Amino acid sequence: QVQLVQSGAEVKKPGASVTVSCKTSGYTFATYGISWVRQAPGQGLEWMGWISGYNGNTNYAQQFQGRVTLTTDTSTRTAYIDLRNLRSDDTAVYYCARDVDRHVDYWGPGTLVTVSS
Amino acid sequence: QSVLTQPPSVSGAPGQRVTISCTGSSSNIGAGYDVHWYQQLPGTAPKLLIYGNNNRPSGVPDRFSGSKSGTSASLAITGLRADDEADYYCQSYDSTLRVVFGGGTKLTVL
Repeated sequence: QVQLVQSGAEVKKPGASVTVSCKTSGYTFATYGISWVRQAPGQGLEWMGWISGYNGNTNYAQQFQGRVTLTTDTSTRTAYIDLRNLRSDDTAVYYCARDVDRHVDYWGPGTLVTVSS
Repeated sequence: QSVLTQPPSVSGAPGQRVTISCTGSSSNIGAGYDVHWYQQLPGTAPKLLIYGNNNRPSGVPDRFSGSKSGTSASLAITGLRADDEADYYCQSYDSTLRVVFGGGTKLTVL
């Protein structure tokens, strides 16, 4: 069965960076992309970007350009999101999700990132 | 401000039918991009409910259905149940090459 397992909660100070991992199993990694979506407390879903599991091509939401980097390690079937220069409004649950045909069909459980001084 | 517009809340009694609208523009839904719907139960990750406008993944009851017309789409839920109480999000794609979500609709079962 398809599974996406994310790394644990993080607490960071403003200006710091955070990396969240997403280890996948149960499907051919190269056949699908991974999208990252975040959800601030009490708010809706916000798409951050996409990375191809085949060749590592990326597509970032404009509001995160220059501050986020998506990568994959095909040997471990793991995707990563790196978010830099954290601000308090980056406090959110970060989800990875398997992307197929411009929508996502399986979601990870989410990783809470808290940014606080 | 979300690119796709949804009503903040809808409600209905058990057994009733409710619909949730999702309004976009000529650069996303109106450009021919598919609409997808997700259900998010409290405290959990979203779950794919409808894909490609009107297709249900395996395991999703046929009480849930989707439609799309012009620059809008709708999610219909019939035979409303208490465990349908959740947040619902529509999602499409934009000609600026990005995924776009609606702001979400909270469904309350009275």
